[in-house]
Amino acid sequence: GEEVAQTPKHLVRGEGQKAKLYCAPIKGHSYVFWYQQVLKNEFKFLISFQNENVFDETGMPKERFSAKCLPNSPCSLEIQATKLEDSAVYFCASSPPEQGTDTQYFGPGTRLTVL
Amino acid sequence: QKEVEQDPGPLSVPEGAIVSLNCTYSNSAFQYFMWYRQYSRKGPELLMYTYSSGNKEDGRFTAQVDKSSKYISLFIRDSQPSDSATYLCAMSAGSGGYNKLIFGAGTRLAVHP
Repeated sequence: GEEVAQTPKHLVRGEGQKAKLYCAPIKGHSYVFWYQQVLKNEFKFLISFQNENVFDETGMPKERFSAKCLPNSPCSLEIQATKLEDSAVYFCASSPPEQGTDTQYFGPGTRLTVL
Repeated sequence: QKEVEQDPGPLSVPEGAIVSLNCTYSNSAFQYFMWYRQYSRKGPELLMYTYSSGNKEDGRFTAQVDKSSKYISLFIRDSQPSDSATYLCAMSAGSGGYNKLIFGAGTRLAVHP
């Protein structure tokens, strides 16, 4: 498709429950990024993929967060044992494979609320 | 100290005004600079992209980068109510196509008729 698709739009979990978010990048894009937006504006980079390989995971809280991008499947971001501070909007972005392409295209986000 | 500083506003201007939005940064490795617009409950949308220092113009929008001062700006001429949104600066050390973006906090802009 021509837009980054993210599901679900909203997700509500009790503290300690698992949350799983999905992202379908734009067709033909080989880079996928996950960002967390807390308190309305503060964006934090989590992880990026080049196709199914982790490209940069420097922002990932390793103990509870995991992510995958498998061939022919939406990418996923999973949070085990959610905490209150995980409440945020999670954005996925994708970009084309060509060198010199400098744009990341963002999806509409998944709003996670942890109660 | 944050790598990218941006005044969160809010900034309220009358229709037709020139708007100036700014960010400062501390990491001299940043070479790619972007401005995104984000409407409420939507994903960021790329407005302007600049590599290294200089100016870039696109319609009513002008982006400026001053690497010596570590300062970037976005100017909006003839502002319209439809420009009301949050404006985020973002930057990266390498190409923004495959490197992580570091965002400012975003400035909330309201243009009133």
